[in-house]
Amino acid sequence: DAKTTQPNSMESNEEEPVHLPCNHSTISGTDYIHWYRQLPSQGPEYVIHGLTSNVNNRMASLAIAEDRKSSTLILHRATLRDAAVYYCILSRYFGNEKLTFGTGTRLTIIP
Amino acid sequence: DGGITQSPKYLFRKEGQNVTLSCEQNLNHDAMYWYRQDPGQGLRLIYYSQIVNDFQKGDIAEGYSVSREKKESFPLTVTSAQKNPTAFYLCASSILGRNTEAFFGQGTRLTVV
Repeated sequence: DAKTTQPNSMESNEEEPVHLPCNHSTISGTDYIHWYRQLPSQGPEYVIHGLTSNVNNRMASLAIAEDRKSSTLILHRATLRDAAVYYCILSRYFGNEKLTFGTGTRLTIIP
Repeated sequence: DGGITQSPKYLFRKEGQNVTLSCEQNLNHDAMYWYRQDPGQGLRLIYYSQIVNDFQKGDIAEGYSVSREKKESFPLTVTSAQKNPTAFYLCASSILGRNTEAFFGQGTRLTVV
């Protein structure tokens, strides 16, 4: 299975943009890039996913490198409620039957 | 409202006892998953199922068993063979064959006493 690498932790000031990086140098052509986040003592929550093109939704944006070996989750204006562990995950195009989570990035928001 | 429900939220078990964690979804999803999470760690896949009466081992299946008799239900049994069962257990479901989001339950925290 293709693996992802993320920094263990990051800090950001409230109301500023946050860029969370993810490296996936062994990604295959059919792997989708997913992002989830997890608040303490809760189940993970879907954030965004994409294949090749950059994606935007109400929660965040996903910027995918042209060679697809890295991606960046962008929170445009961080709030205290965005403090969570963020997971970058790869899943195959024909089903996500094995979403494999790493340890993620713990994002701290500074008021 | 559609969603995925895990019960109970907290569970205590004596050593040597089997215990079953419940997971129910009303999202009409084909695929269901069980994950284990230890403090400060990521999620590790225990079992997953893509269709009724069929399931596959994940990365850490030893000491666990599952069944999928109904589409909406995927219970996990933690057996006495599991050496370190104290953990946070998460169930998830998703549409099979399409790359969309997985929905997670709120988890069951199991403690062996």
